[in-house]
Amino acid sequence: KNQVEQSPQSLIILEGKNCTLQCNYTVSPFSNLRWYKQDTGRGPVSLTIMTFSENTKSNGRYTATLDADTKQSSLHITASQLSDSASYICVVSDRGSTLGRLYFGRGTQLTVWP
Amino acid sequence: EADIYQTPRYLVIGTGKKITLECSQTMGHDKMYWYQQDPGMELHLIHYSYGVNSTEKGDLSSESTVSRIRTEHFPLTLESARPSHTSQYLCASSEGPAQHFGDGTRLSIL
Repeated sequence: KNQVEQSPQSLIILEGKNCTLQCNYTVSPFSNLRWYKQDTGRGPVSLTIMTFSENTKSNGRYTATLDADTKQSSLHITASQLSDSASYICVVSDRGSTLGRLYFGRGTQLTVWP
Repeated sequence: EADIYQTPRYLVIGTGKKITLECSQTMGHDKMYWYQQDPGMELHLIHYSYGVNSTEKGDLSSESTVSRIRTEHFPLTLESARPSHTSQYLCASSEGPAQHFGDGTRLSIL
């Protein structure tokens, strides 16, 4: 069964600190992995998309890594800000953008305290 | 931000009513999707469309129906709402790997 598992389920950090969110998947075949940020009451917004050949991608203070061999990804947030408080969702596609099915994780709820 | 809009944002309505959730996008994307999301749970695909007059059911069984008469418009309809339909409904569109989501409709059926 294709699955996407995220950890931790929730995380609280102080403003200015760094944190790392984890995503393990069993989706096969693998096409790409995406990280989304979902603010409370809003729709998800794409942060990064990585294909099989990419092992790191950055978007400002967000850096995603991918190890396709171990089927693991991480999202590292540097110098956290209060606005980083949100749910971070890992999504894996099994066959590309046109025909691929998307597998969603349940998200990690991040809270940044002042 | 992506130009995809959902209305209403919130809806509280009684059992048995007919409901239509609106979704419109101005990006000209052919692909559009409807997802259902409950708190703390993953998004579940309930309908998708690859273009005008194309609609398919998603992974999660749903009593809702959709139509795609115009590229920019992808409404979702519940003929007779039930409390089990209480959830958040997210619409998305895509051209390429990234999906652009609307802000959702939070639906509560009393």
